[in-house]
Amino acid sequence: DAKTTQPNSMESNEEEPVHLPCNHSTISGTDYIHWYRQLPSQGPEYVIHGLTSNVNNRMASLAIAEDRKSSTLILHRATLRDAAVYYCILRPNFGNEKLTFGTGTRLTIIP
Amino acid sequence: DAGVIQSPRHEVTEMGQEVTLRCKPISGHDYLFWYRQTMMRGLELLIYFNNNVPIDDSGMPEDRFSAKMPNASFSTLKIQPSEPRDSAVYFCASTYIGAATTDTQYFGPGTRLTVL
Repeated sequence: DAKTTQPNSMESNEEEPVHLPCNHSTISGTDYIHWYRQLPSQGPEYVIHGLTSNVNNRMASLAIAEDRKSSTLILHRATLRDAAVYYCILRPNFGNEKLTFGTGTRLTIIP
Repeated sequence: DAGVIQSPRHEVTEMGQEVTLRCKPISGHDYLFWYRQTMMRGLELLIYFNNNVPIDDSGMPEDRFSAKMPNASFSTLKIQPSEPRDSAVYFCASTYIGAATTDTQYFGPGTRLTVL
């Protein structure tokens, strides 16, 4: 399986944008880029996913590099409730329903 | 929808005892996953089912672990006998794979297992 690399931790001030990077230099053409997050004492929850084009939803935006070897999850205005571990995961489009979680990025929001 | 339901939320048992964790997936979902999370190893997939049939159990650590899915609305993960190193948070997740296999996995709140 293609691997992802994320910083272990990041800090951001409340009400400011946050850019969480993910490197995936061995991504294949059929791999989707998924982001999940895990709030304290909860199960992971889906944030966003994309293939080639940038994606937006109510939670976040996903910016994907043109060569697809990296991506950035963007929280436009961080709140204290966004403090969580964020996981960047590659998932093949077909034939593999599994999610392989790495160590993720622990995001701390400073009030 | 109530989401994925897991029980119990907390379990404390003694080494050697049998432990059974339970999961009710979201209605209509055809995939069910069992994960384990520890500080040392992070979040690991143990086994997953499709239409109640086990598809991949390569993550099950050893024969002491077994999982069943007797019907579409219920699954169990059993540890017999339990050992202290089994202490972890166990998550169940479910999803529906439609025409595009990029669907979200929905996780339950987890069962925190402590084996003394």
